[in-house]
Amino acid sequence: GENVEQHPSTLSVQEGDSAVIKCTYSDSASNYFPWYKQELGKRPQLIIDIRSNVGEKKDQRIAVTLNKTAKHFSLHITETQPEDSAVYFCAASRSGYSTLTFGKGTMLLVSP
Amino acid sequence: SQTIHQWPATLVQPVGSPLSLECTVEGTSNPNLYWYRQAAGRGLQLLFYSVGIGQISSEVPQNLSASRPQDRQFILSSKKLLLSDSGFYLCAWSVQGPAYEKLFFGSGTQLSVL
Repeated sequence: GENVEQHPSTLSVQEGDSAVIKCTYSDSASNYFPWYKQELGKRPQLIIDIRSNVGEKKDQRIAVTLNKTAKHFSLHITETQPEDSAVYFCAASRSGYSTLTFGKGTMLLVSP
Repeated sequence: SQTIHQWPATLVQPVGSPLSLECTVEGTSNPNLYWYRQAAGRGLQLLFYSVGIGQISSEVPQNLSASRPQDRQFILSSKKLLLSDSGFYLCAWSVQGPAYEKLFFGSGTQLSVL
């Protein structure tokens, strides 16, 4: 089955800096890669996703890049704000064949 | 609009006691339904998923079970809880069809087995 590794487990940045979280996956047939944000004590929420037919997707301060050859994808947050502090999960799946496999999460701490 | 309800929010149970967590979805029909467990530092682990009434797939063999007695109701149960069952349990749903991978999570149940 699919295996998703996520790094780092904890990331501390100053407000205004950029943050990058990286994930690798094992199944070359995986073609859907979402990112979820979970604030303390709350439910995970989808913030951005990408399919394997594109290499990059942006939504305001958030972007995701995908390298199919290397089997890794990354979340980029620019101009970080304290409200970006949360645990971020990456995931991967093969559309039509499998459910999502999640990484272990990255705790992002943005200091004012 | 669609909403998902999960209860209770917090539960403290002794070892060996039974468990029943319930989840219901409103505003959609024939959703895919999921139970996840989130243990500290271990991410989101899929326990069960269902694509229809009475159809349950188990991802991790353990002393938990799931049932879907109605289209929009998903129940997680155990006859005898273990200490290792402690964790944050999340119900989730998705639509059937092309966007099935997009999950919408409930607010979760924090279960402590003592």
